[in-house]
Amino acid sequence: DAGITQSPRHKVTETGTPVTLRCHQTENHRYMYWYRQDPGHGLRLIHYSYGVKDTDKGEVSDGYSVSRSKTEDFLLTLESATSSQTSVYFCAISVLGEAFFGQGTRLTVV
Amino acid sequence: ELKVEQNPLFLSMQEGKNYTIYCNYSTTSDRLYWYRQDPGKSLESLFVLLSNGAVKQEGRLMASLDTKARLSTLHITAAVHDLSATYFCAVDNAGNMLTFGGGTRLMVKP
Repeated sequence: DAGITQSPRHKVTETGTPVTLRCHQTENHRYMYWYRQDPGHGLRLIHYSYGVKDTDKGEVSDGYSVSRSKTEDFLLTLESATSSQTSVYFCAISVLGEAFFGQGTRLTVV
Repeated sequence: ELKVEQNPLFLSMQEGKNYTIYCNYSTTSDRLYWYRQDPGKSLESLFVLLSNGAVKQEGRLMASLDTKARLSTLHITAAVHDLSATYFCAVDNAGNMLTFGGGTRLMVKP
């Protein structure tokens, strides 16, 4: 158990509404990541963080923003959810280069 | 841009048989990871390969890395039903940044 908690675990939301997913870690690791997982695409990096208030874009960042005001929390926000953002979202931390994942959030945009 | 390709994407095999999953990547890296994912679950770390020629074994699974060929293999020996899962390889892109293959869904039939 890498001490990573994602919330919520499941969410259904309407198109056009804002949504925030939370990732919490208990061990003060510097690097944190948000991935999305879709059939046929594996895991794709959305955003990552290398410290408090230090974030950068990943491969599929359009439509997403992130914030990290504390070491332990990394938030992913969908400003205006679209059906194409229906996916399973995983948060991860990096320990000596190896990624450890949270349990995932299944988001459905209707 | 780093690209990671796995093949096959889907593998159905009989119990007791041997098979190999391949992971090819497009740019130089000497850090490669294998993960397992059960349906509806998170990703679990299997192997960490950190140098050319690295070989790791755990039970019926053995992973190897050839950095010159930009190839990693995951070999399954005498498959059992419990190995049914999706397997992902991931390559360290630029230090603390993983790019994932599309995954290989393995189904082991009795």
